[in-house]
Amino acid sequence: EPEVTQTPSHQVTQMGQEVILRCVPISNHLYFYWYRQILGQKVEFLVSFYNNEISEKSEIFDDQFSVERPDGSNFTLKIRSTKLEDSAMYFCASSPRGRGSTDTQYFGPGTRLTVL
Amino acid sequence: AQSVAQPEDQVNVAEGNPLTVKCTYSVSGNPYLFWYVQYPNRGLQFLLKYITGDNLVKGSYGFEAEFNKSQTSFHLKKPSALVSDSALYFCAVRDLYNAGNMLTFGGGTRLMVKP
Repeated sequence: EPEVTQTPSHQVTQMGQEVILRCVPISNHLYFYWYRQILGQKVEFLVSFYNNEISEKSEIFDDQFSVERPDGSNFTLKIRSTKLEDSAMYFCASSPRGRGSTDTQYFGPGTRLTVL
Repeated sequence: AQSVAQPEDQVNVAEGNPLTVKCTYSVSGNPYLFWYVQYPNRGLQFLLKYITGDNLVKGSYGFEAEFNKSQTSFHLKKPSALVSDSALYFCAVRDLYNAGNMLTFGGGTRLMVKP
């Protein structure tokens, strides 16, 4: 069964450094998402992406964050200058369709980001 | 705005007994409801969803969930729990027409099934 994959599984970085989290969505899916879960808190929506554009974003997704689909398979989340409060588990998800559809979002295993 | 509440941080059940994991939601429009399960070091795995129609939804691994519009609830159930069901369970809601693609999650409930 096709799965969403994410690399790395764990990333440790120094505050102020840039990080790129990578995801490979399910191959025939068109909508891609990033969510995050700070330890002990709820899973929170960050951004959705369709047709090489951001479809929606939350208040959390400020100018420090960006997303990109650099090629036909990868979907990345970049954090330009990491802060201690960016430490969290970051989940990538994909769905066949998005807005107005009833399609399920399928999640990857997550990348644990630790900012020191 | 949409929100989800999972009132129990942990549910303890003996193997073979029925289990219920509670979820209540709030949306302004029509709810589109999900249950996901997370095993250690794994991602969120889809279990089941409610869109419309029959209030009892059946999903993977013998789980089912009952949609109750008047109580704004979507409780997860299983008639006979297995030790392997022990995991973290998340309820999520999406307002199908008013909130785009965004899923809003509850805080999660840890299910412990003891032999």
